[in-house]
Amino acid sequence: AQTVTQSQPEMSVQEAETVTLSCTYDTSESDYYLFWYKQPPSRQMILVIRQEAYKQQNATENRFSVNFQKAAKSFSLKISDSQLGDAAMYFCAYGTSYGKLTFGQGTILTVHP
Amino acid sequence: DADVTQTPRNRITKTGKRIMLECSQTKGHDRMYWYRQDPGLGLRLIYYSFDVKDINKGEISDGYSVSRQAQAKFSLSLESAIPNQTALYFCATSDRGQDTGSYGYTFGSGTRLTVV
Repeated sequence: AQTVTQSQPEMSVQEAETVTLSCTYDTSESDYYLFWYKQPPSRQMILVIRQEAYKQQNATENRFSVNFQKAAKSFSLKISDSQLGDAAMYFCAYGTSYGKLTFGQGTILTVHP
Repeated sequence: DADVTQTPRNRITKTGKRIMLECSQTKGHDRMYWYRQDPGLGLRLIYYSFDVKDINKGEISDGYSVSRQAQAKFSLSLESAIPNQTALYFCATSDRGQDTGSYGYTFGSGTRLTVV
């Protein structure tokens, strides 16, 4: 069974600084997808970024980028120029074409002004 | 209107009561899912359905049942609620074939259930 581990229950960052959230996963599949979701206090699940395992290039979405290390099964999220609105719970997730997602435990990110 | 609508948004119920959480979608997606979120555990899959006639257990299905009344509706029932079923419940949908490889994975806004 696939597992996803987020080893940082909480992280904090100063506004305008950079923070990296860690995620590792375990799978025997070769074709899969990885995601970072943001959950603000409104509890809505918001897709931040995704990565296809077959792509070597790291995904980037504006201030959000990932460091995908397939061999190490690591998928970290870097948030640059952090903003107060980035404060939320962040979930790392693994999925395949079967559609089910496996989530990590979550990391609460606090942004200090 | 939201693409994936969950009702109720919040619910308090008593131990032993039967409760149904409802989910409807306008995405036209075939696949629907129920997840449960607990602090420190993330989201865990309860049940999923790939079409009206295909329903499958997830990793934590004990104590739950589901009904796929139509392509657009997928309900989760707790036959006899217990306090450790207190959690935030999410319904989600995804496209067939593209699934998580596309941006076709959509979550509802969640139902916070408290069992007292």
